[in-house]
Amino acid sequence: QQQVRQSPQSLTVWEGGTTVLTCSYEDSTFNYFPWYQQFPGEGPALLISILSVSDKKEDGRFTTFFNKREKKLSLHIIDSQPGDSATYFCAAPYTGNYKYVFGAGTRLKVIA
Amino acid sequence: DAGVTQTPRHEVAEKGQTIILKCEPVSGHNDLFWYRQTKIQGLELLSYFRSKSLMEDGGAFKDRFKAEMLNSSFSTLKIQPTEPKDSAVYLCASRDRGQNTLYFGAGTRLSVL
Repeated sequence: QQQVRQSPQSLTVWEGGTTVLTCSYEDSTFNYFPWYQQFPGEGPALLISILSVSDKKEDGRFTTFFNKREKKLSLHIIDSQPGDSATYFCAAPYTGNYKYVFGAGTRLKVIA
Repeated sequence: DAGVTQTPRHEVAEKGQTIILKCEPVSGHNDLFWYRQTKIQGLELLSYFRSKSLMEDGGAFKDRFKAEMLNSSFSTLKIQPTEPKDSAVYLCASRDRGQNTLYFGAGTRLSVL
């Protein structure tokens, strides 16, 4: 099975700071990369996604970057808020986009 | 529109019991997935249905795990017999035809004693 590796495993940042999460993958045929956000007691929900034809996508305080040559992704959260405290998963589809492999997740805590 | 509904939210079973978890996908969605979530293994795919046809049955999970899609709006995951190592959160997700976004339910937390 293709691997998607995330780092760090957990992270604590101060309110107002910038959070950076990273993800690396193996299969160069992956072409769509979502990030999911999961709060305790809930299922993951799509936060932001990027296609491999782009190198950057922004949505408010959240930006994802894609580096095709290095097979890496990152998620940047500016002005981090306590409400951003959650687990973040990167994922990649394989076998014709019909199923996904998820990273192990990064547990983020933002403290006021 | 209602999201993905999973029942029950919590289940406690004795080792060796049979349990059935239920999932109602988003209305009209074509694809349905069952995942198991643990702190150590993360999200592991158990089963994948497309238009009610089983496309993936999860390899290593085949022997005691059986997912069924009885109609386009209802799926079950049966674990028989349960073992303590099955303790995890079981997530159901659905996806519209031709789209990429997975919509997850809140999950069922299973504890096997």
